[in-house]
Amino acid sequence: EPEVTQTPSHQVTQMGQEVILRCVPISNHLYFYWYRQILGQKVEFLVSFYNNEISEKSEIFDDQFSVERPDGSNFTLKIRSTKLEDSAMYFCASTMNTEAFFGQGTRLTVV
Amino acid sequence: GQQLNQSPQSMFIQEGEDVSMNCTSSSIFNTWLWYKQDPGEGPVLLIALYKAGELTSNGRLTAQFGITRKDSFLNISASIPSDVGIYFCAGQMSDKLIFGTGTRLQVFP
Repeated sequence: EPEVTQTPSHQVTQMGQEVILRCVPISNHLYFYWYRQILGQKVEFLVSFYNNEISEKSEIFDDQFSVERPDGSNFTLKIRSTKLEDSAMYFCASTMNTEAFFGQGTRLTVV
Repeated sequence: GQQLNQSPQSMFIQEGEDVSMNCTSSSIFNTWLWYKQDPGEGPVLLIALYKAGELTSNGRLTAQFGITRKDSFLNISASIPSDVGIYFCAGQMSDKLIFGTGTRLQVFP
């Protein structure tokens, strides 16, 4: 069964460093998303991406964040200068229309 | 911003019991989705609802899309230990999902 895959599963980084989280969405899906979940809290929308551009983003998705689909299969989330409060699970999701399928997540720990 | 409130926040039940949880919003949604999340994993889609009043089943799970389009409930019948996890409702608004606050389910044998 096709699935969304994310790498790495766990990333530890020092405050101020740049991180890139990677995702391979389901191959025939058209819409791609990043969500995050701070430990013990609900899943929060960050950004949606369609037709090679951002279609919507939340207040959380500030200038420190960027997304890219560099090669038609990967979908990346970059955080330019990480802060302690960026520590969270980051989930990639993809969909053809409505039913979003999520990856297993990347646990980002900023120290 | 939009807020989806789920109740109850947590439930402790015995294996074999039926479970009911719901989700309410001040906003109207065109689609409601229910997800289950196991510890350290991503949300897994359980049921999708597309029309107001729609009642949909998936095995032991039944979910309904409220007539006002501002609420939804999820029932689990004859619970089993592997039903343990956090259940999230999610409403679709334009190009994103808004997730509920979650209901944590614990099932005791």
